[in-house]
Amino acid sequence: SQELEQSPQSLIVQEGKNLTINCTSSKTLYGLYWYKQKYGEGLIFLMMLQKGGEEKSHEKITAKLDEKKQQSSLHITASQPSHAGIYLCGADLTAAGNKLTFGGGTRVLVKP
Amino acid sequence: DTAVSQTPKYLVTQMGNDKSIKCEQNLGHDTMYWYKQDSKKFLKIMFSYNNKELIINETVPNRFSPKSPDKAHLNLHINSLELGDSAVYFCASSLGRHEQFFGPGTRLTVL
Repeated sequence: SQELEQSPQSLIVQEGKNLTINCTSSKTLYGLYWYKQKYGEGLIFLMMLQKGGEEKSHEKITAKLDEKKQQSSLHITASQPSHAGIYLCGADLTAAGNKLTFGGGTRVLVKP
Repeated sequence: DTAVSQTPKYLVTQMGNDKSIKCEQNLGHDTMYWYKQDSKKFLKIMFSYNNKELIINETVPNRFSPKSPDKAHLNLHINSLELGDSAVYFCASSLGRHEQFFGPGTRLTVL
């Protein structure tokens, strides 16, 4: 099994609906990063979380890191077609840092 | 004003050939990385360089050799290409442990 598990693997939502993606590890997440990848393109940095219980928002996207620092969620409110893509969580699983381990990604499709 | 750039964007070559992918960042970052993304979109780190020194080598075959001529460049040379090397290769950079910024990727196809 992977060190960082993402769920669901894919998601189809109606435009205007909310969606949530989860990222879970059995190890401590020293740093948790959310990225978005559009099909055939590079990764776009969304947000970084480091402290247990931390929550950050940007436009309609909110990311949270649980108190135990082993689970993060990414929530999109009132989804739009522009939110379609692959969402990847990456994490520092060691205190030394500088090595991101990625989850398997979540493919999001937003139906107009 | 591209932050992290890679060349080429696409690379199609025959098995057994040697090829290089170049990466440059103009962000003033001190750490650069190479990642491989397979056909299932799983992204895995290959190498990490900090101030031109190799700090991470994730059990990558010896056929892969990274070279960092300066802090702004990290190139990847691949010898004796195999079918299984077909993937998208991403370069990234960061300032220490801060967020990593990724290049657009190089899609390598080995025939």
